[in-house]
This record gives sequence, C-alpha cells and structure tokens, in this order.
Amino acid sequence: AQKVTQAQTEISVVEKEDVTLDCVYETRDTTYYLFWYKQPPSGELVFLIRRNSFDEQNEISGRYSWNFQKSTSSFNFTITASQVVDSAVYFCALSEAAGYSTLTFGKGTMLLVSP
Amino acid sequence: EAGVAQSPRYKIIEKRQSVAFWCNPISGHATLYWYQQILGQGPKLLIQFQNNGVVDDSQLPKDRFSAERLKGVDSTLKIQPAKLEDSAVYLCASSTSGTHNSPLHFGNGTRLTVT
Repeated sequence: AQKVTQAQTEISVVEKEDVTLDCVYETRDTTYYLFWYKQPPSGELVFLIRRNSFDEQNEISGRYSWNFQKSTSSFNFTITASQVVDSAVYFCALSEAAGYSTLTFGKGTMLLVSP
Repeated sequence: EAGVAQSPRYKIIEKRQSVAFWCNPISGHATLYWYQQILGQGPKLLIQFQNNGVVDDSQLPKDRFSAERLKGVDSTLKIQPAKLEDSAVYLCASSTSGTHNSPLHFGNGTRLTVT
C-alpha cells in the first residue's frame, strides 16, 4: 500500500528565509509519480510539480526547488527567499503507475511566512 | 480557461439530513474526482469517474454516499443521511485523462458542517 508522510505539521518563518518541506513516501511499485500541491486559504489545491520515479534530477522553478532521492524515499520541497504569499498548506502526494492516477496525499505542512 | 466550479461553497445541516454537492469540471476533461478533506488531513479520494463511468469508488461509504456523472460532464455527490463525522471539505477535481501525465485541477471545495 502506498503512504505519504509529512512529518512537519506547521512551519513558521520570517520573510526572506529559506524553508524546506519534507516528504517521505512508501510504495512497492518501481514506477510511481510524486506531486506537490499548494492549498492557499481560498481552499483550491494548486498543482506545483510532478516527478516520475525514473527521473531523479532535481528541479528548480524560480524560488522553488525539489530534491528527489529514491535512496531515502524522499521528495523535499525548498522555497528560497520566502514571501508572505507563500503562506499556505503544502501537500505531497504519490500515485502508483498501475491503473488510473489515484493520488494518495500526505497530511500537509502549513507554512506561515510573516513579514 | 474556466476552472472547476463547485457549489455550494458552504453548507450546514443537522445529522440525519441529506445534502448534495455539485461540480462542473473544466471543459473537455474526461476524468472527474471527488475528494473528502477532513480538517488537518490531506484529501482522500471518494470516487473517480472516467467520462460517465466509475473507475474507483473503493473508499466511498456506499451506505450513505452516492455520486453520479450523467452525460459525462458535471457531477453530483450526495450524502443521505449525514453523520457528524462527515463534516469536511468536499473537493472536486478534473483532469484531461486518467493518466499520470495530466495533473488534477481542483475546485474551491464545499465546506460541510454537520451539527
């Protein structure tokens, strides 16, 4: 069975600090997909990134970067120079390749960025 | 493009009453999902439709929950009778297909409070 663990329930930082959100996953499949979603106070989940299990290259998009390490079953998310608008709940999710893309979400990490 | 539309935005009912939620996915999206998000937790899949057929309803409490997607476009999720533990945000999402290459697009959700 697949499982996603986000051990950090809540993180508080001051604007311009860097912050890393941890994600550890469990799956028996060799082919799977990992995702990060952002949920601002409005409630809508916003897709940020998808990685497949064969692509361990780290990815950078502006102030966002992702570190995928199969050896530790982790897919961590770093925000550089955080801003108040980054305040949200961030979810890591896993989808196994078999069948349709059913996502299993972690419990989420609430990020609070204060000015 | 217009996003996923959900209504109502909020609903308060007493236990044992019935309630219905409506979702209109992004135009052209074949796959539609209903997720339940209890406070402090990640979304949990209730049911997944591919066009107007159900592909996964393994976590849907079928004794009280039902969903339909007539004509393969919009969808309705119903709870009858509601229990206190049904208090949650009900999220609708859609994707172009049920594969992993198409990320999910979520609506703002319906927040249900059962008293």
